[in-house]
Amino acid sequence: NAGVMQNPRHLVRRRGQEARLRCSPVKGHSHVYWYRQLPEEGLKFMVYLQKENIIDESGMPKERFSAEFPKEGPSILRIQQVVRGDSAAYFCASSPAGSSGNTIYFGEGSWLTVV
Amino acid sequence: KQEVTQIPAALSVPEGENLVLNCSFTDSAIYNLQWFRQDPGKGLTSLLLIQSSQREQTSGRLNASLDKSSGRSTLYIAASQPGDSATYLCAAPETARQLTFGSGTQLTVLP
Repeated sequence: NAGVMQNPRHLVRRRGQEARLRCSPVKGHSHVYWYRQLPEEGLKFMVYLQKENIIDESGMPKERFSAEFPKEGPSILRIQQVVRGDSAAYFCASSPAGSSGNTIYFGEGSWLTVV
Repeated sequence: KQEVTQIPAALSVPEGENLVLNCSFTDSAIYNLQWFRQDPGKGLTSLLLIQSSQREQTSGRLNASLDKSSGRSTLYIAASQPGDSATYLCAAPETARQLTFGSGTQLTVLP
């Protein structure tokens, strides 16, 4: 499977714990995006990263959320001290260049449930 | 700021019908628009990408049109099948790196 791979697919965390979501982009893609889909809402952009750089994090909550895309390995979305409102589906996408004019490829998502 | 609206929110049709899903966007200075399909508990599958220079794009039984001047796009599905049941999402660029999604149209095709 050469698509965007996300894991875990489902994650349950207690309030106050940390959640780490991983994303391996399509082979050869150097641009990664994270989107969040809250229950009954549309997908919202969170962050756009290139290798070792955060390019646009305008959609990322200011506190508790961080993202990285190291030179080696998957992109990680990290949520510290999770709260019930963080329960959502988190989708990763990748593209070979900026998404303008290019189709981006989405993963199957990571469903986070905070209890 | 780009806003994307999709109408209707839900649609139920008998198998074999042709149908149209609507998408409107507020910022017409877009360079492309995409339609996606999302199955329950799954990720998004890109269906069609229309460049701003195109008026429509076709893939099999799907045809998407784009009218930038009116800020509208439509997705036409011909001869619908139960396997077409899914949520259809329209997305317009906010910037070169961000997509703004509509809330989707949940389609049910009844056998």
